[in-house]
Amino acid sequence: DIVLTQSPGTLSLSPGERAALSCRASQSVGSNSLAWYQQKPGQAPRLLIYYASVRATGIPDRFSGSGSGTDFTLTISRLEPEDFAVYYCQQYANSAGLTFGGGTKVEIK
Amino acid sequence: EVQLVESGGAVVPPGGSLRLSCAASGFMFDDYNMHWVRQVPGKGLEWVSLISWDGSESFYADSVKGRFTSSRDNSLKSLYLQLNSLRTEDSALYYCAFSSSSGLAYFDHWGQGTLVTVSS
Repeated sequence: DIVLTQSPGTLSLSPGERAALSCRASQSVGSNSLAWYQQKPGQAPRLLIYYASVRATGIPDRFSGSGSGTDFTLTISRLEPEDFAVYYCQQYANSAGLTFGGGTKVEIK
Repeated sequence: EVQLVESGGAVVPPGGSLRLSCAASGFMFDDYNMHWVRQVPGKGLEWVSLISWDGSESFYADSVKGRFTSSRDNSLKSLYLQLNSLRTEDSALYYCAFSSSSGLAYFDHWGQGTLVTVSS
């Protein structure tokens, strides 16, 4: 299975700042089948990005995804108060062997 | 409106069994593969299983293979997960989820989860 490593584990930033979250895969992710999710306490994850760079329905354009192969990045251009949460990447190149990264917590500095 | 509602979570002793359910509404349930994903509270997400739209195929994470069984009843729009030989490390919130892009496995729809606690 593909192992996904997210960094940093925690990102301490202020509202209005830019956030860059990394997701590195142990092997190339076929067809850039990489998704990003946001999760807030007590809630299910919310899909933000799929195919590495396609925003899901209703996701603000301050969220963007980039990368290919083994290196992917989720960027939040200007942090809003509601963006402080935990973010996970997930590869779905193999539907029968899905894996998630360990998560990055974006906290208020 | 798409809804997924899990139920069946409980406190069970190690070695015990449990059956989780996921009731679906608001979409053509029998058009979609369905998944179970679990999360230890405060920890990360772990994919558990996939069942095909017609129930003919199912796949499991190595950590649950041989102990968990996924099934579905399309006439009832329901998904099930049978958990046997439970271990303390199976304690988690169990979500059902699916992708509205049929055949793909990123999840734009999730339930609210049902909590399984394995403890003596």
